[in-house]
Amino acid sequence: AQKITQTQPGMFVQEKEAVTLDCTYDTSDQSYGLFWYKQPSSGEMIFLIYQGSYDEQNATEGRYSLNFQKARKSANLVISASQLGDSAMYFCAMAKRGSNYKLTFGKGTLLTVNP
Amino acid sequence: GAGVSQSPSNKVTEKGKDVELRCDPISGHTALYWYRQSLGQGLEFLIYFQGNSAPDKSGLPSDRFSAERTGGSVSTLTIQRTQQEDSAVYLCASSGGGRAKNIQYFGAGTRLSVL
Repeated sequence: AQKITQTQPGMFVQEKEAVTLDCTYDTSDQSYGLFWYKQPSSGEMIFLIYQGSYDEQNATEGRYSLNFQKARKSANLVISASQLGDSAMYFCAMAKRGSNYKLTFGKGTLLTVNP
Repeated sequence: GAGVSQSPSNKVTEKGKDVELRCDPISGHTALYWYRQSLGQGLEFLIYFQGNSAPDKSGLPSDRFSAERTGGSVSTLTIQRTQQEDSAVYLCASSGGGRAKNIQYFGAGTRLSVL
């Protein structure tokens, strides 16, 4: 079974500063993918970034980067230069590769960016 | 269409009635997923379709829930004899081939309220 833990129910950050959202996972699978999604108040789940378990380099997508530490089973999301529009719920998720790739989600972190 | 489309966006029904939720995936995407998001349970996988293969129904909470996917495209999630605990946001996602085959793209969801 897979489990995702997000220990920060809420986070605050000043505009233009960087913020790290924590995510740890538990799995016995060797091949898996890790994902971060953003859910604004409008409700839509927006894909942000993906990291494969065999990828040697940390994934980056614009202002988003994923700090992948495989031995610690952590996949923290780093948002640089926060913007007011970054205020949203952020979900970490994982999926076992090869089969149906269904996602297991954490409970999320509510990020508020202050002006 | 450009993204995953779900309808209706909101559905209010009376306990005991049947409801149908529709999902139109991104054109060309072969995989389609249904998830449920509720305050108590977070985000849960319900069912997965891949091409012409038998669907993975392992996440369906009871036999009142069923889903079909016609012609490898549009999917309908049906809930029979709705209960108040069925109230949630139902999210549909699709994924396709190529470099981004592991990435699930979500629709805006259907918010179901059972009175």
